Amino acid sequence: ELKVEQNPLFLSMQEGKNYTIYCNYSTTSDRLYWYRQDPGKSLESLFVLLSNGAVKQEGRLMASLDTKARLSTLHITAAVHDLSATYFCAVDIRRNGGATNKLIFGTGTLLAVQP
Amino acid sequence: NAGVTQTPKFRILKIGQSMTLQCTQDMNHNYMYWYRQDPGMGLKLIYYSVGAGITDKGEVPNGYNVSRSTTEDFPLRLELAAPSQTSVYFCASSYPPGQGSEQYFGPGTRLTVT
Repeated sequence: ELKVEQNPLFLSMQEGKNYTIYCNYSTTSDRLYWYRQDPGKSLESLFVLLSNGAVKQEGRLMASLDTKARLSTLHITAAVHDLSATYFCAVDIRRNGGATNKLIFGTGTLLAVQP
Repeated sequence: NAGVTQTPKFRILKIGQSMTLQCTQDMNHNYMYWYRQDPGMGLKLIYYSVGAGITDKGEVPNGYNVSRSTTEDFPLRLELAAPSQTSVYFCASSYPPGQGSEQYFGPGTRLTVT
C-alpha cells in the first residue's frame, strides 16, 4: 500500500528565509505532483514531476524528484507572505508498470510566512 | 472555459438522508475523480472514472456511488448519510496518464451531516 508522508506538517518562517518541505513515499512511483491550497479554497496545481531527477521552478518555489530515494522536495527561496498556504504532494499509484492517475495525497504542510 | 464546476457549494443533511453532488467539466477530459478532504488532512480518492460508462473504486468508496453517462458529468451519490461523511468533497478531471496527467479541481462542496 502506498503511503505518502510530508514533513514538517506545520512551518512558520520569516519573510526572506529559505526552507524545504519534504515528501516521502513508500512504493515505486515516478510521478509526483505538488498542489497549493489556500484556506477554504480548492487545490491549485504547482508542479508535475514525471521522471527521476525532474526539477521544476516557478518564482520562489522549486520542486525536485528522486525516485530512487522515493523523495520529493519543495524548496522555498526568500519567502514572502503571499506564499502562506497549505502545500500537498501527491503520488501516482503505478499499476502494471504504468501510471494510473490515481493519487495518494500527503497530509499537507501548513506554511505561515511571518513579516 | 468554466473548468470543473460543482453544485451545491454547501449542504446540511440529516442522518439517513440521501443526496447527489454534481460535477461537470468542459475541458473534454476523459478522466474524472471524486475526493473527500477531512479537516487538516489531505485528499482521499473516493471513486474515479476513465471515461463514460467506466468507473472504479478509490481508497474510501464505502457509502458512495457514482455513474458516468457522459464525458462531461460525474455525479456522486450519498445514500443514507452518516456523520462520518461530513467533509469537503472535491471533483477533479484530467487527460489520461500519457497525455499530461495534471488534475484540475472544482471549487468543492462542503457537506455537514447532523
